[in-house]
Amino acid sequence: GAGVSQTPSNKVTEKGKYVELRCDPISGHTALYWYRQSLGQGPEFLIYFQGTGAADDSGLPNDRFFAVRPEGSVSTLKIQRTERGDSAVYLCASSLSGGKETQYFGPGTRLLVL
Amino acid sequence: SQQGEEDPQALSIQEGENATMNCSYKTSINNLQWYRQNSGRGLVHLILIRSNEREKHSGRLRVTLDTSKKSSSLLITASRAADTASYFCATASSGGYQKVTFGTGTKLQVIP
Repeated sequence: GAGVSQTPSNKVTEKGKYVELRCDPISGHTALYWYRQSLGQGPEFLIYFQGTGAADDSGLPNDRFFAVRPEGSVSTLKIQRTERGDSAVYLCASSLSGGKETQYFGPGTRLLVL
Repeated sequence: SQQGEEDPQALSIQEGENATMNCSYKTSINNLQWYRQNSGRGLVHLILIRSNEREKHSGRLRVTLDTSKKSSSLLITASRAADTASYFCATASSGGYQKVTFGTGTKLQVIP
């Protein structure tokens, strides 16, 4: 596609529920990144995929967070047993090969956990 | 964790004036980038400056980098109301892939 897309745009869920956030990167980009941005803060790195594999998941806050990219294109960020503190904007970015190059960001998914 | 800190946290100027934002960071970098974000959603990449560069221009944007002071500045000349947004610096570390660490951002308001 023309740019990185993310769905849904907004997600409201209740504490304890499971959510999935989807990212569709720019076609042909092998590198994909997830970030989380809390109100008034800069984005914080969560996980980096190179192809189908998670090359760096050091930013995932705990084992309730998991992400997959089974075919090396679309990625899904999964959050189990959501907590109010998970409320944030979740941003996805992709780049051509993961080298020292520009990352292109999607519009984000705003998650609100009640 | 945030690598960089932007200064000021908020800036309000009149249309036509110049806006200067500063970024300080802590560890050695491969490159530094500036992004713009409107309404807390998607980030737009503005400019990338490599660690061996000192200054870079793109349209009304001028970025400087001082690696000895671990700081960068973004200058927007002849500001427009449409420049109203939050601006973030982001640093990429020297090793491995482009792991980018963002600063805390400067919220710029340009008053028409």
